[in-house]
Parts: sequence; C-alpha cells; structure tokens
Amino acid sequence: RKEVEQDPGPFNVPEGATVAFNCTYSNSASQSFFWYRQDCRKEPKLLMSVYSSGNEDGRFTAQLNRASQYISLLIRDSKLSDSATYLCVVNRAGNTPLVFGKGTRLSVIA
Amino acid sequence: NAGVTQTPKFQVLKTGQSMTLQCAQDMNHEYMSWYRQDPGMGLRLIHYSVGAGITDQGEVPNGYNVSRSTTEDFPLRLLSAAPSQTSVYFCATSLQLGLETQYFGPGTRLLVL
Repeated sequence: RKEVEQDPGPFNVPEGATVAFNCTYSNSASQSFFWYRQDCRKEPKLLMSVYSSGNEDGRFTAQLNRASQYISLLIRDSKLSDSATYLCVVNRAGNTPLVFGKGTRLSVIA
Repeated sequence: NAGVTQTPKFQVLKTGQSMTLQCAQDMNHEYMSWYRQDPGMGLRLIHYSVGAGITDQGEVPNGYNVSRSTTEDFPLRLLSAAPSQTSVYFCATSLQLGLETQYFGPGTRLLVL
C-alpha cells in the first residue's frame, strides 16, 4: 500500500457545485495532516491543516478519520479560481519528513 | 521578508555539466529540503537538513549533493547532469521537521539535454 494515495482525477465540476476528495494514508502513527494547493506551474501552498476534530475555513472543510486512515477535503460552492491540484500531505511519525500524495486535479467549469 | 527564494528560475544544461541550484530563506527556519516534481510522480524528496551542519538523504538522493553551512542557505549541487534530472526543483522550509507547515520556493525548471 502506498504511503499516501489520492485519486488523480481530473474532477470536472460546474461552478457552484460541491466536490469532495479523499486521501488514504498507510502509517497509523502519522500525526500531522495537511491539504496543499498547487496551481499550474507554481509552487505548492498550504490550503489548510487537518485537525482531529475536523476544521472549516470558509467554503473548505477538512476531516480526519483515524480509524479508517483517511482525510477528506470538501469544497462547497466551487469557483473557477478553485481549479488547481490538491495535494494530501501526511507525516510518517514524529520528526520525519512530510510525505506528499501525487495530487488530485480539479477543474471548475463555467 | 522574501520568504523562500530560489535561483535560477530556468536553466538548460548539457549532459555532464555541473551546476548549483540556490535556495535561501529569511524565516529563521531550521528545516530545509529539496524536492523534484515530475509529471505523474508527485513531489519526491531529494535531501533535507534539520539545521546548519546536518543533512540527510531523502527518497531520490543519487546524483545530488547538498551542504548546510548556514541556517539561511541550502544549495543543491548536480555534479554531472543527466537527462533524467530534467525536472522542476522546489526548495521548502519549515520551523520544525515533519509537524509544521512547509513553505515552498517558486521552483527552478531544469532541462538537461
């Protein structure tokens, strides 16, 4: 099983739609979880951290399910500007480098 | 604050040439790392450093050298470039290894002919 797995997509959704991505991780000792966003030909940037209790930032909601070892990202009321690749990021355990998923591509269509 | 800067932005090399990709940060972060990103492969860790004088290998270290003489700088050296090293290279930093947000530089696009 890969350390971090994501559906590569692409997810093509109309403006205003709600879209959800899941990401699974293999190391049960992982402690830190993030979603990053990467625009075409740009560097990855932090979208949001994922907390055990779940967290929301505007139209974006992140959830963590430790029992099933997956994290999710929900985007409500999709905008054209949400078109990007979304990277799931997990640490192995303690002070070790973060592991990046290969990303899920989202295209929001007018 | 400039954050994380990388130079050059673009570079074309011939096979066998050497070069150094520069990475500098002004955030006083202890942890710095180098990734390469290739289509369909995602971000792969090349080398990382948890502080000045300390470096370690990542997932794909072969063909690359690093050193960390100061907190601010973490150069990546290609001693003898190969076409397989054609890629986009990102430098990233964070306050602490593994538990904190990583901040990425804008990247260096390298083409090896």
